[in-house]
Amino acid sequence: NAGVTQTPKFQVLKTGQSMTLQCAQDMNHEYMSWYRQDPGMGLRLIHYSVGAGITDQGEVPNGYNVSRSTTEDFPLRLLSAAPSQTSVYFCASSYSVQGTYEQYFGPGTRLTVT
Amino acid sequence: AQSVAQPEDQVNVAEGNPLTVKCTYSVSGNPYLFWYVQYPNRGLQFLLKYITGDNLVKGSYGFEAEFNKSQTSFHLKKPSALVSDSALYFCAVRDFTGTASKLTFGTGTRLQVTL
Repeated sequence: NAGVTQTPKFQVLKTGQSMTLQCAQDMNHEYMSWYRQDPGMGLRLIHYSVGAGITDQGEVPNGYNVSRSTTEDFPLRLLSAAPSQTSVYFCASSYSVQGTYEQYFGPGTRLTVT
Repeated sequence: AQSVAQPEDQVNVAEGNPLTVKCTYSVSGNPYLFWYVQYPNRGLQFLLKYITGDNLVKGSYGFEAEFNKSQTSFHLKKPSALVSDSALYFCAVRDFTGTASKLTFGTGTRLQVTL
């Protein structure tokens, strides 16, 4: 299994540009989520999904959209990039929404918005 | 709302010495607690979790954690540190809100193990 994969690894955007961060998992996991990691702030939840066709907002959803058309894929869209969105983005998945299951993380995408 | 606190930004320990990385939590119900490790330029890796049962939980790479309900703590420990343990460590607590559970992370503690 490849686990959780993310593309691209690095990206530089200009303010106002849009882009999609890709995330895929091959473990047939029910639950997927997106986090951003900023220095001194830990990881903050952006959006999550409990299954295909179902998404919900996390702690910091503004400026981001998600969709979940298949179990495997959970792309994150930046609608109009802002310098405040400069961060490292992690996708994660978990076998179930039940709280006892640990999450598996992708390698991350480092995004810089100028 | 639930929260996690990691009071130390950095912990320094000599190789071979025991290490402790501290974590305290706040939840309204029973906590599900997790420790993750992040090596440079990598994603987070699961180390161990407490769900129920024995207060001492053993995990990967020789790490263990002690759940203390009265002190609302879940400190990560290892009897003998290795230089290769140097990394960023995150404590997390599971929250049940709405239709799904969410994981809330602490701000992380950088562990530096030196020879």
